[in-house]
Amino acid sequence: GQQVMQIPQYQHVQEGEDFTTYCNSSTTLSNIQWYKQRPGGHPVFLIQLVKSGEVKKQKRLTFQFGEAKKNSSLHITATQTTDVGTYFCAGPVGDAGNNRKLIWGLGTSLAVNP
Amino acid sequence: DTGVSQDPRHKITKRGQNVTFRCDPISEHNRLYWYRQTLGQGPEFLTYFQNEAQLEKSRLLSDRFSAERPKGSFSTLEIQRTEQGDSAMYLCASSPPGGRLNEQFFGPGTRLTVL
Repeated sequence: GQQVMQIPQYQHVQEGEDFTTYCNSSTTLSNIQWYKQRPGGHPVFLIQLVKSGEVKKQKRLTFQFGEAKKNSSLHITATQTTDVGTYFCAGPVGDAGNNRKLIWGLGTSLAVNP
Repeated sequence: DTGVSQDPRHKITKRGQNVTFRCDPISEHNRLYWYRQTLGQGPEFLTYFQNEAQLEKSRLLSDRFSAERPKGSFSTLEIQRTEQGDSAMYLCASSPPGGRLNEQFFGPGTRLTVL
């Protein structure tokens, strides 16, 4: 069945270092979403990417959607302690793209040493 | 607070008991989702409503699970004859109608512990 995988599962960095998490889908995605979940919290939407090769930036966060629309990445420049949490990618099941049903990766948990 | 709310926030029950959770989505959001999340995992899709219609349901969901959204506003998720494996965080999310952006707004979740 359709799968979404994320690597790494955990990442421990010093404050100020960069961080990247990668998301790979077994099938082509119509779009991909990224969420952040703080410890003890619930997922919070970060961004949605739709176009092949799309790159979007949010301050220190850069999101990329692969040309084949099967992979995506999130890069954080100069991490801060406020970046701590688990970052999930999620994509729609099937090719309808209507996001009725999302399949989620296992997430990458980021820890930042001050 | 106009976000998604869930009740109760915590539920401890004995194996074999039935439990029911409630979700109140953001008003005007016609799309509502239920997920289950266990430690170290991503949210696992359970079911999806558009207004009052249940349009998607996970094949992984056993017959012990049922969800309703009778008036297209709040939703309930019931688990019958709970098992220890049902222990998890149950998350509800909603999203607005139409548009190209499919952002889901999550509630704080209901943490279920089955003893």
